[in-house]
Amino acid sequence: DTAVSQTPKYLVTQMGNDKSIKCEQNLGHDTMYWYKQDSKKFLKIMFSYNNKELIINETVPNRFSPKSPDKAHLNLHINSLELGDSAVYFCASSQGVGQRSGGYTFGSGTRLTVV
Amino acid sequence: DQQVKQNSPSLSVQEGRISILNCDYTNSMFDYFLWYKKYPAEGPTFLISISSIKDKNEDGRFTVFLNKSAKHLSLHIVPSQPGDSAVYFCAASGNTGGFKTIFGAGTRLFVKA
Repeated sequence: DTAVSQTPKYLVTQMGNDKSIKCEQNLGHDTMYWYKQDSKKFLKIMFSYNNKELIINETVPNRFSPKSPDKAHLNLHINSLELGDSAVYFCASSQGVGQRSGGYTFGSGTRLTVV
Repeated sequence: DQQVKQNSPSLSVQEGRISILNCDYTNSMFDYFLWYKKYPAEGPTFLISISSIKDKNEDGRFTVFLNKSAKHLSLHIVPSQPGDSAVYFCAASGNTGGFKTIFGAGTRLFVKA
């Protein structure tokens, strides 16, 4: 039973489309995150929610909108997709805010390709 | 502005020998450091962490060393096994803008049988 599951695993779409990536965790964690791994392989924080409340919102284009209907779900909606949005997007969760001794639990990633 | 740097993109080691992966950081506000391991097509998996009040933490074959004065940490894997071949990410966390965690770019480790 997957702890942090993301869907879809692969997403190929045309420029200008709107798409969503879903994330669910069954660990009972209260904090969830979206990270983007770009072509240079850096993992960069995009958003973080604690108990459905947005606590981290990095400098991300407002075409990206996270939504947390409950603390077990954090979805990412992207409007007007651009070529530069192509990347691997990782969802993660943790108990409490930030990483302490236990680290995050990551999903397996969603590879988004914009053509 | 890379606050966490892993300057070696790759490392190749013979099975049974020691693997040493290095990481440097710039922000003295970081108070927890973590290592993650990542296989292709999977998410990073937490491996080991160390608090800034310690200089060493050991878990089986994995040991993390922290040198605060040099703002440097390293992960030692002894003995290295072929299954350790993966990308290793160094990460740092602290009360910097909401306890954000900053990741390095990763080092790809190849363990040759």
